[in-house]
Amino acid sequence: DARVTQTPRHKVTEMGQEVTMRCQPILGHNTVFWYRQTMMQGLELLAYFRNRAPLDDSGMPKDRFSAEMPDATLATLKIQPSEPRDSAVYFCASGLVSDGEVTSNQPQHFGDGTRLSIL
Amino acid sequence: TQLLEQSPQFLSIQEGENLTVYCNSSSVFSSLQWYRQEPGEGPVLLVTVVTGGEVKKLKRLTFQFGDARKDSSLHITAAQPGDTGLYLCAGIDNYGQNFVFGPGTRLSVLP
Repeated sequence: DARVTQTPRHKVTEMGQEVTMRCQPILGHNTVFWYRQTMMQGLELLAYFRNRAPLDDSGMPKDRFSAEMPDATLATLKIQPSEPRDSAVYFCASGLVSDGEVTSNQPQHFGDGTRLSIL
Repeated sequence: TQLLEQSPQFLSIQEGENLTVYCNSSSVFSSLQWYRQEPGEGPVLLVTVVTGGEVKKLKRLTFQFGDARKDSSLHITAAQPGDTGLYLCAGIDNYGQNFVFGPGTRLSVLP
């Protein structure tokens, strides 16, 4: 079965360091989502892309977070500088949405996440 | 403001028992999805409900979307230890402005 691949699976670093998380969406999917999951806040949508263009990044702290899709096979989420409150599990999900379809009606396929700890 | 609320927050039952978990909102949703998440993994989609009053069955799982499209329920018959996990509902509100996940119900089925 095709899967969304996220790297690294775990990352521990000191505050102030740059963190880059990578996601390889399922081949052929045209929509990519970034989520953050914590015990307190649950799953929060940070940003999503359609055909590599950012459609919504309102959930993302823009002063330190940035999300890009350099090509159709790679999505990145960067934090610079990182802070302890950024500690969470970050998930990437991808999906295939046709023109005219409502995003939420379509399944999102999640990766296994990057567990990030900022000391 | 939490757009989606789920109850109960935690549920621990014995194998073979039936259970129902709920997803509620004050907002109307164009559709709702249910996901199950196991430790160390990402959520996996179980079902999408679109029409008010819709009922969908997936083996021992029955999903219902409220008539007003503000709530949904998941009923599990004869629960098994393999059903253990975090059950999340998610959806986009009727204005198309917010895509959110609920906080989840953490289910533990004991053998």
